[in-house]
Amino acid sequence: NAGVTQTPKFRVLKTGQSMTLLCAQDMNHEYMYWYRQDPGMGLRLIHYSVGEGTTAKGEVPDGYNVSRLKKQNFLLGLESAAPSQTSVYFCASSYQADTDTQYFGPGTRLTVL
Amino acid sequence: AQSVTQLDSHVSVSEGTPVLLRCNYSSSYSPSLFWYVQHPNKGLQLLLKYTSAATLVKGINGFEAEFKKSETSFHLTKPSAHMSDAAEYFCAVSDMGYSTLTFGKGTMLLVSP
Repeated sequence: NAGVTQTPKFRVLKTGQSMTLLCAQDMNHEYMYWYRQDPGMGLRLIHYSVGEGTTAKGEVPDGYNVSRLKKQNFLLGLESAAPSQTSVYFCASSYQADTDTQYFGPGTRLTVL
Repeated sequence: AQSVTQLDSHVSVSEGTPVLLRCNYSSSYSPSLFWYVQHPNKGLQLLLKYTSAATLVKGINGFEAEFKKSETSFHLTKPSAHMSDAAEYFCAVSDMGYSTLTFGKGTMLLVSP
């Protein structure tokens, strides 16, 4: 099993450009999450999904959109990138919620100039 | 509401000496608590978790943590540090019935020879 994979690994954007980050998991997990990690801030939840076709806002959702059209995929979109969105983005998935382990992808390092 | 405070942003130890990384939490109900480790340029990996069973939890690589409800703490310990333990460590909490984890800001563990 590949676990949780993220595409791409690195990306540089100019302000105002758009892009989509792809997260895929092959563990048949119901729950999927997008986090951003910034120095000294820990991980902050952007959006999450509790099942195919569902999405919900996390702690820092502004400027991002998500879709979960297939159970195994969770897409994170930036419609108009801003320098404040320079960060490392992590996707995670879990079978259940509160008591279950979240499995993390390797991350995408995004720089917005 | 759930929240986590990691009391030290950096901890420095010598190889072979004990490790103590401190985590206090706040939750409304019955929490699940997690410690994750992140090595440089990698995703997060679960070290251990508490989910209302035994209060002393053993994890991978010789780490353990004790859930103390009266002190609202879940400190991570290891008897003898190894150079390979140098990484960033994150404590996280999930209240019963919640779909999401809340992470602390992380503690960087530095291990010197």
